[in-house]
Amino acid sequence: QKEVEQDPGPLSVPEGAIVSLNCTYSNSAFQYFMWYRQYSRKGPELLMYTYSSGNKEDGRFTAQVDKSSKYISLFIRDSQPSDSATYLCAMSPYSSASKIIFGSGTRLSIRP
Amino acid sequence: SAVISQKPSRDICQRGTSLTIQCQVDSQVTMMFWYRQQPGQSLTLIATANQGSEATYESGFVIDKFPISRPNLTFSTLTVSNMSPEDSSIYLCSVEIAGGPGNEQFFGPGTRLTVL
Repeated sequence: QKEVEQDPGPLSVPEGAIVSLNCTYSNSAFQYFMWYRQYSRKGPELLMYTYSSGNKEDGRFTAQVDKSSKYISLFIRDSQPSDSATYLCAMSPYSSASKIIFGSGTRLSIRP
Repeated sequence: SAVISQKPSRDICQRGTSLTIQCQVDSQVTMMFWYRQQPGQSLTLIATANQGSEATYESGFVIDKFPISRPNLTFSTLTVSNMSPEDSSIYLCSVEIAGGPGNEQFFGPGTRLTVL
């Protein structure tokens, strides 16, 4: 079993829809959770990070962590075609994110 | 954040040859990392490169195959040695920037390597 599981998709939704991206994990020591966005032929770009359980909102993006279920989510409201990318969840067991474990990424496509 | 560049952006190489990938950062950073991303796969950490010390390799990666240099706080190189088609992948460097409850990593644009 992988430490981090992420549905690879592809996920295709119409513009304006709410998108939900999810990851599950097995290591209860993970404390620091991140979401990266990767456009085609580009490096991953840090989108959001959260520490421990709870929600964090940044514009149209909300990151949610449920440590009791070992489940994290990224919600995108009012999705735009420019949101089309691969989204990777990532997590680390320490307060320092020196060693990050990545999910395999979900490919998202927003249809105009 | 940090601005990270990589050279080359892509290359096509012959089996048995070696390629050195350069990573340049616009600010001084202590920790740099090298990852591999195979098509449709997650990022796999190859090694951690700290300035002034030997690189630390992850399980499955060895120095003879992936020698790394870290001559200063803004630059690192990764060499892929004696290449085979299985080495075809995207190679990414990243840096760790201190701040907040954790230290975020910022990635370069990647080097797309094809081995024939």
